[in-house]
Amino acid sequence: EAQVTQNPRYLITVTGKKLTVTCSQNMNHEYMSWYRQDPGLGLRQIYYSMNVEVTDKGDVPEGYKVSRKEKRNFPLILESPSPNQTSLYFCASSPMGMGANVLTFGAGSRLTVL
Amino acid sequence: GEDVEQSLFLSVREGDSSVINCTYTDSSSTYLYWYKQEPGAGLQLLTYIFSNMDMKQDQRLTVLLNKKDKHLSLRIADTQTGDSAIYFCAESLGSGNTGKLIFGQGTTLQVKP
Repeated sequence: EAQVTQNPRYLITVTGKKLTVTCSQNMNHEYMSWYRQDPGLGLRQIYYSMNVEVTDKGDVPEGYKVSRKEKRNFPLILESPSPNQTSLYFCASSPMGMGANVLTFGAGSRLTVL
Repeated sequence: GEDVEQSLFLSVREGDSSVINCTYTDSSSTYLYWYKQEPGAGLQLLTYIFSNMDMKQDQRLTVLLNKKDKHLSLRIADTQTGDSAIYFCAESLGSGNTGKLIFGQGTTLQVKP
């Protein structure tokens, strides 16, 4: 089944404890992206990648890192999490090229930073 | 800058039509999208419309685009309780598929039996 898989789905952590949220897709998509969803703010893009070893900042990149060493994986790293990073996180992927950008989303990772 | 605006909440009775509205600011948008998010799940693409079209119909869904006013709407006919979800409007910028989408805040649709 074509899908985007995120782990963990739920995580409670404490301020300053490094964590990684993994994201993997099995559709051979070039483009991958991380979003955070907060009430009343919709989805805001954190980082994106247009291919292996090509990453760029989205609208809210502060406090996050990403890497794209393989086409299928795009982990989101929080080096020193803070309470304002408590949010619902989504990974998404799509093929590149002409035409509509049809994103496939993961199921989401709910992160609480105490 | 780019901005997409939606009202936050809509309540309808089962069997009625629902109309969810969206406005956007970037006139260079190439495609506009509607995504649906059910509780506890990720977003799923419902439909999209190319910017040179005025209307697109897909079964119970009708998308209307007014480029002059930068206004997009999603009409759901014969709304069912299973349509209860958050609906996101989004636009893609520039020509070709560069990946970037700008999302609205999402409209929560509540369908009462």
